[in-house]
Amino acid sequence: QITLKESGPTLVKPTQTLTLTCSVSGFSLTTGGVAVGWIRQPPGKALEWLAIIYWDDDRRYISSLANRLTITQDSSDNQVVLTMTNMDPADTATYYCAAMRYYYDDGHWREARFDPWGQGILVTVSS
Amino acid sequence: QSALTQPRSVSGSPGQSVTISCTGTSSDVGASNLVSWYQQHPGKAPKLIIFDVSKWPSGVPDRFSGSKSGNTASLTISALQADDEGDYYCCSYAGNYKWAFGGGTQVTVL
Repeated sequence: QITLKESGPTLVKPTQTLTLTCSVSGFSLTTGGVAVGWIRQPPGKALEWLAIIYWDDDRRYISSLANRLTITQDSSDNQVVLTMTNMDPADTATYYCAAMRYYYDDGHWREARFDPWGQGILVTVSS
Repeated sequence: QSALTQPRSVSGSPGQSVTISCTGTSSDVGASNLVSWYQQHPGKAPKLIIFDVSKWPSGVPDRFSGSKSGNTASLTISALQADDEGDYYCCSYAGNYKWAFGGGTQVTVL
């Protein structure tokens, strides 16, 4: 059974750096065809994809926040860490990590989906 | 990458069907079959209900069905039940190994 759990501070001050950890169990982060993504949801608003790290350490970021985000993985601890610099009250949100699995068939991705998700962690940015 | 466009809300009576659209571009929804749908109840994490446009994960009833035409994907909920109330989000591969979610649709069972 695959499970993910987010951890980190629930309150940060403006301009500080946020560091969130996603602890993964049930699969290895270095197994082919897996990835872990971070998605956030401001209160009462929509989901927003932020970043993803693939099994081969390929990392991608949402363009609008690329200069503030860093995603890394620790294969020995099976954890994925997201850092976001220069936090602002507008970054107040529930942050989720989610597993992605997929495979390649004839040069095309197949069955890529975010499943399962962690429970989420509400991060409030306030002085 | 930009957020995909979904209607803000849809509603239906128990037993009826509702359809939620998810409109993107030829660079995301129109570019592949990597469209998935998620159901979210208040205070809960999203749950996968459809992937690869129209496939069901284990345990999801076939009252939920997905389709795609051009740059628009759709989720249909048939035989609407009270427990189907919640928010629904589409997600699509957006190219360059990136992903995008829709703005979400609130489903109300009248």
